[in-house]
Amino acid sequence: GEDVEQSLFLSVREGDSSVINCTYTDSSSTYLYWYKQEPGAGLQLLTYIFSNMDMKQDQRLTVLLNKKDKHLSLRIADTQTGDSAIYFCAESNSGGYQKVTFGTGTKLQVIP
Amino acid sequence: GAVVSQHPSWVICKSGTSVKIECRSLDFQATTMFWYRQFPKQSLMLMATSNEGSKATYEQGVEKDKFLINHASLTLSTLTVTSAHPEDSSFYICSARFSYQGSNYGYTFGSGTRLTVV
Repeated sequence: GEDVEQSLFLSVREGDSSVINCTYTDSSSTYLYWYKQEPGAGLQLLTYIFSNMDMKQDQRLTVLLNKKDKHLSLRIADTQTGDSAIYFCAESNSGGYQKVTFGTGTKLQVIP
Repeated sequence: GAVVSQHPSWVICKSGTSVKIECRSLDFQATTMFWYRQFPKQSLMLMATSNEGSKATYEQGVEKDKFLINHASLTLSTLTVTSAHPEDSSFYICSARFSYQGSNYGYTFGSGTRLTVV
């Protein structure tokens, strides 16, 4: 079945860039998502990218997609302490209402 | 490791009937499980948090008598949608917390259940 993998932990210094990586196995993935979960809160959709795109930028967030290698990354520029959270990569093979497969989440720790 | 199995993946039911969704942790003990609901093209909405052996904690606006959550064992949590109506049609997904390297933890998710009420 589909599999989405992420590293579990990332630590960066405030002001540096963070890069969270994700790999997936489903070649029919259409949408790829990044969610953020802050302590005690639900998942917040940060951004998503269609599989026919290579890059999407939204303010401090840059998503890169390498469809050939099935590799997705989320870059957070000028990382702030408020960015400390768990980030989930997810994929689905149609418009956001079908089966969604999530990674295990990457815990981002921002050191002041 | 840290696999959660969710069943069924897809169910259609008649209005007024009840539907039970199961979420099992296969290779670890899940003391805490979460139930989410996702509307089309929106973020997952946390419905409730359940701890094994105690009552679930529901988020504001979620009817606890309608969405019954049971977490009677360390490997099984169930969500029962009672007297389902078409507006309950949605994508429901469970999540379980697992620990690694001592005090750190991560979240693993079931594959989701698409409920359609007709």
